[in-house]
Amino acid sequence: AQKITQTQPGMFVQEKEAVTLDCTYDTSDQSYGLFWYKQPSSGEMIFLIYQGSYDEQNATEGRYSLNFQKARKSANLVISASQLGDSAMYFCAMREAEGDMRFGAGTRLTVKP
Amino acid sequence: GAGVSQSPSNKVTEKGKDVELRCDPISGHTALYWYRQRLGQGLEFLIYFQGNSAPDKSGLPSDRFSAERTGESVSTLTIQRTQQEDSAVYLCASSPGINYEQYFGPGTRLTVT
Repeated sequence: AQKITQTQPGMFVQEKEAVTLDCTYDTSDQSYGLFWYKQPSSGEMIFLIYQGSYDEQNATEGRYSLNFQKARKSANLVISASQLGDSAMYFCAMREAEGDMRFGAGTRLTVKP
Repeated sequence: GAGVSQSPSNKVTEKGKDVELRCDPISGHTALYWYRQRLGQGLEFLIYFQGNSAPDKSGLPSDRFSAERTGESVSTLTIQRTQQEDSAVYLCASSPGINYEQYFGPGTRLTVT
């Protein structure tokens, strides 16, 4: 069974608007971590934001915030004030207690001018 | 400081040959991960090393795949008797520990002809 599900293969957003990229996860662990990475067309993987399962506050990093709803097992990424340079693939990932990391299939975000 | 490096950046090999891919993690990072990314797809977890613990090999797709790590430094991923379906980008990542974000290398693009 998929541990990380990203249901949006592709998303479009107008420049300067906000966009939410969905991510749901499946785990029976109490302790886990959730990550979002960006992969531009150059192929590099860029860490964006992290949320620990015991963190009570939603994580924020600049224009990125993570909408963490533990009971629903969702960890959506919100990008505010989209920029053309935000166009990329976005991957949600989960690290469970034993340490391995599982990635979702990704969402391709296109920011339109 | 230096990031994660991988070599070679590109490798073309004939079906049936063995290949070795190398990863140099960031100094001091105890955790090291290998992933496979097929064209247009997400990251597939292969193997994970944490300090001196036995590696988590749960993601290795077949017994043709193996990996070693020398202490907390260099790791090599070996694919024996390569097949065309092994063609992909192989990404290595390291982190200070399992509760931290991963820093990715640029990847090795493997093409099996």
